[in-house]
Amino acid sequence: EAGVAQSPRYKIIEKRQSVAFWCNPISGHATLYWYQQILGQGPKLLIQFQNNGVVDDSQLPKDRFSAERLKGVDSTLKIQPAKLEDSAVYLCASSPGLANTGELFFGEGSRLTVL
Amino acid sequence: DAKTTQPPSMDCAEGRAANLPCNHSTISGNEYVYWYRQIHSQGPQYIIHGLKNNETNEMASLIITEDRKSSTLILPHATLRDTAVYYCIVRQPLSGSARQLTFGSGTQLTVLP
Repeated sequence: EAGVAQSPRYKIIEKRQSVAFWCNPISGHATLYWYQQILGQGPKLLIQFQNNGVVDDSQLPKDRFSAERLKGVDSTLKIQPAKLEDSAVYLCASSPGLANTGELFFGEGSRLTVL
Repeated sequence: DAKTTQPPSMDCAEGRAANLPCNHSTISGNEYVYWYRQIHSQGPQYIIHGLKNNETNEMASLIITEDRKSSTLILPHATLRDTAVYYCIVRQPLSGSARQLTFGSGTQLTVLP
């Protein structure tokens, strides 16, 4: 079974530039999550989708971050304009459904460096 | 709000059992204990979860105290590949939002040859 795919693995940009990350969840998984992991910290949930609807985006900095999952399968996370403090690993995860047992399947992440 | 407390780091000899403690003194009656681990440069990986009974799977065993205020994750025969950060999390499993799946700083387990 293929895992959660993310791209790019690494991205370096200058502050005020924009960047986009892509995620393809495990086939059939209805719920998709984006997490931000700053160096030395645990992952923090940014946004959670159920199919193509948003379940929770309370921790997403909406002035610069946006995410979409238009067809309920893959998803993109965009940052515009980027700030130095956005340097982090952006992790995508998926799970079979909303009422799940709590087991999330994570991708390898996209590491962003903002200079 | 930190719901769990874990030691920041631990060492374990290869082949020996690794016992990772977690304190969760404010756990509610309907909250489960989850364990994830994160190997360097990879995403977190689910290990095991439980409510009140001890649980075992192919990766590990989870021992929860009778008062549920603490638990221990046991890797019975640690290998070098078990070197990772281990996260202990408490949450309600059927909650719609994953915001409850709050990762703290975890325990860095280093398995020594």
